[in-house]
Amino acid sequence: DTGVSQDPRHKITKRGQNVTFRCDPISEHNRLYWYRQTLGQGPEFLTYFQNEAQLEKSRLLSDRFSAERPKGSFSTLEIQRTEQGDSAMYLCASRRSTGGGSPLHFGNGTRLTVT
Amino acid sequence: AQTVTQSQPEMSVQEAETVTLSCTYDTSESDYYLFWYKQPPSRQMILVIRQEAYKQQNATENRFSVNFQKAAKSFSLKISDSQLGDAAMYFCAYQTGANNLFFGTGTRLTVIP
Repeated sequence: DTGVSQDPRHKITKRGQNVTFRCDPISEHNRLYWYRQTLGQGPEFLTYFQNEAQLEKSRLLSDRFSAERPKGSFSTLEIQRTEQGDSAMYLCASRRSTGGGSPLHFGNGTRLTVT
Repeated sequence: AQTVTQSQPEMSVQEAETVTLSCTYDTSESDYYLFWYKQPPSRQMILVIRQEAYKQQNATENRFSVNFQKAAKSFSLKISDSQLGDAAMYFCAYQTGANNLFFGTGTRLTVIP
C-alpha cells in the first residue's frame, strides 16, 4: 500500500491559465474521488469515478472543470481559465467499492494559488 | 439533503486530559456510516474512527471512542489521555452506502502541554 499520490503539491498560476492535477490512487481501489478544500473549511465533494466511469458530479464543478480517469487507474482534474476563487487545496481520495462504509484514503493534496 | 454540523470551531485540552468533539447530522436515510477524520497541519487526512448506523455499540479505537445517538443524530468523538500529536483539525463525515462523503466544517483541536 503506497498510498494515494498527488502531483504537483503546489501550483501557482495566473488568472486565465489552465492547470491540470494528477492523482494516483491505491492500486486495488476502484473508486476515486476529488474534493476541494478552502482554508478553515471541510472538504467539498467535486466528483467521483468507479473505474473509468464518472458516476457523479457536484454542482460545484462548473464547466471550466473536467476530470478524467481514462484507464480506471490514475485521474486528472483540469481547470480551464482559472479564477482567483479557484484557489484552494484539491484533494484526491480512493477506496474499494465493496459494500458501503469502506473509508476513504486521502492524498496530500494539490494547493492551487491563482494570482 | 445531507448536512453535517460541527458547532465547535476550536477546542483545547490539557495534555493527558479528555476532550469531546461534537457532531450532528441530518439525514432521512436509515442505513449510513459516520466517520471522524483527522487532518494535522500541512499533512494528509487520515481516518480516526468509523461507525455503522445499524450498530448500536459505540466504536472504539484505542484512546478514541464515539458516542453515537441515532435518534438524536449525534456523533461525538471522545479523545482520552490527549497527546500533543492529537493536535489537528477533526472532521466529522457522513456517507450512505457506497456514495460520496459529506464533511462538516471541522474543529481545530489544540493540546496544551
